[in-house]
Amino acid sequence: RKEVEQDPGPFNVPEGATVAFNCTYSNSASQSFFWYRQDCRKEPKLLMSVYSSGNEDGRFTAQLNRASQYISLLIRDSKLSDSATYLCVVLSGTYKYIFGTGTRLKVLA
Amino acid sequence: DAGVIQSPRHEVTEMGQEVTLRCKPISGHNSLFWYRQTMMRGLELLIYFNNNVPIDDSGMPEDRFSAKMPNASFSTLKIQPSEPRDSAVYFCASSFVQGNQPQHFGDGTRLSIL
Repeated sequence: RKEVEQDPGPFNVPEGATVAFNCTYSNSASQSFFWYRQDCRKEPKLLMSVYSSGNEDGRFTAQLNRASQYISLLIRDSKLSDSATYLCVVLSGTYKYIFGTGTRLKVLA
Repeated sequence: DAGVIQSPRHEVTEMGQEVTLRCKPISGHNSLFWYRQTMMRGLELLIYFNNNVPIDDSGMPEDRFSAKMPNASFSTLKIQPSEPRDSAVYFCASSFVQGNQPQHFGDGTRLSIL
């Protein structure tokens, strides 16, 4: 089993739709979690950290479920500019940032 | 504040040549990471430095790859001799590891070995 697993997609959604991605992790001792977005041929950029109580940043909401060992990302009112690959990252131990393979999102006009 | 700075942005060279990639981490960060990304293998961690000391180099493919961090503001990744299979995008990232902070990535170096 991979340490961090994501559905590769692609998720094709119309503009204005709400879309959610999940990411599961295997190490129950993991303490920190992040979502990054990566555009084609660009570097991964931090989208948001994921806090235990869940957190929101504009149209984006992140949740953590420790019991089931997954994190989620919800995007409301999706825009064309949200089209990208979304990477789930789990910090396992002091420095091991474990990256998922990413979920591709395409927002269609 | 400036982000992670990498150079060059693009490098095209012939196999057998030496390639040197450079990285300047974010000031105040105590950890630096070199990654390689390809379509086939995704994002792979090559080496991790903490306070300028290499802590984990288990991801370095082979002896042709070497990395140094002579001070807190500079690191290099060297490939000698280069091979076509080294073609990839190489990212440098930095973070402040204590406190479980996220990583911040540079723009990457797109390397093509002919």
